[in-house]
Amino acid sequence: DQQVKQNSPSLSVQEGRISILNCDYTNSMFDYFLWYKKYPAEGPTFLISISSIKDKNEDGRFTVFLNKSAKHLSLHIVPSQPGDSAVYFCAAGYNQGGKLIFGQGTELSVKP
Amino acid sequence: EAGVAQSPRYKIIEKRQSVAFWCNPISGHATLYWYQQILGQGPKLLIQFQNNGVVDDSQLPKDRFSAERLKGVDSTLKIQPAKLEDSAVYLCASSRLQETQYFGPGTRLLVL
Repeated sequence: DQQVKQNSPSLSVQEGRISILNCDYTNSMFDYFLWYKKYPAEGPTFLISISSIKDKNEDGRFTVFLNKSAKHLSLHIVPSQPGDSAVYFCAAGYNQGGKLIFGQGTELSVKP
Repeated sequence: EAGVAQSPRYKIIEKRQSVAFWCNPISGHATLYWYQQILGQGPKLLIQFQNNGVVDDSQLPKDRFSAERLKGVDSTLKIQPAKLEDSAVYLCASSRLQETQYFGPGTRLLVL
């Protein structure tokens, strides 16, 4: 039972353009969502989070949007840079600090 | 602030052998997590500790996996005996109470 899904295994974007990574979830009880970035041979690095009481959270070039009615969240990276090339995981939880359910990941490639 | 430390970084064993992984969380983080990440999938929680007590071990295969967190700081995860399907990256994460989880670099296990 895949409660968190990232349906695009890979995404390729030109440097300077917008990258949009998508994530869907099935459990309406999730109230906390995060995005992690992972480089090869390293652990996931926390990027940005959003509580279910919000629909948008912004941090520099990164913005996360939450659509609760559609059970969908997205990560926007503007402008994209080659250093953003990594695997991005979305994750959901029932409360901050508790168990996280991860999606399968989307590999982003930003080409110069 | 030092990050989450894990050792070893890589381990190759034969099936039916035993293996142990070690994790040292970020100083002051009361909560410690062990995740298993199989190739092509997102991390899956195996066990969560708060101080030295177990909060969630519902997905830990208890017939072969065990974990402990003595004195509420370091933790070890053991597999005995290992199976081929245990080949994965084992990630340790830590957090302050009700805050974001931060991951270590992981231990890559290959069972032959």
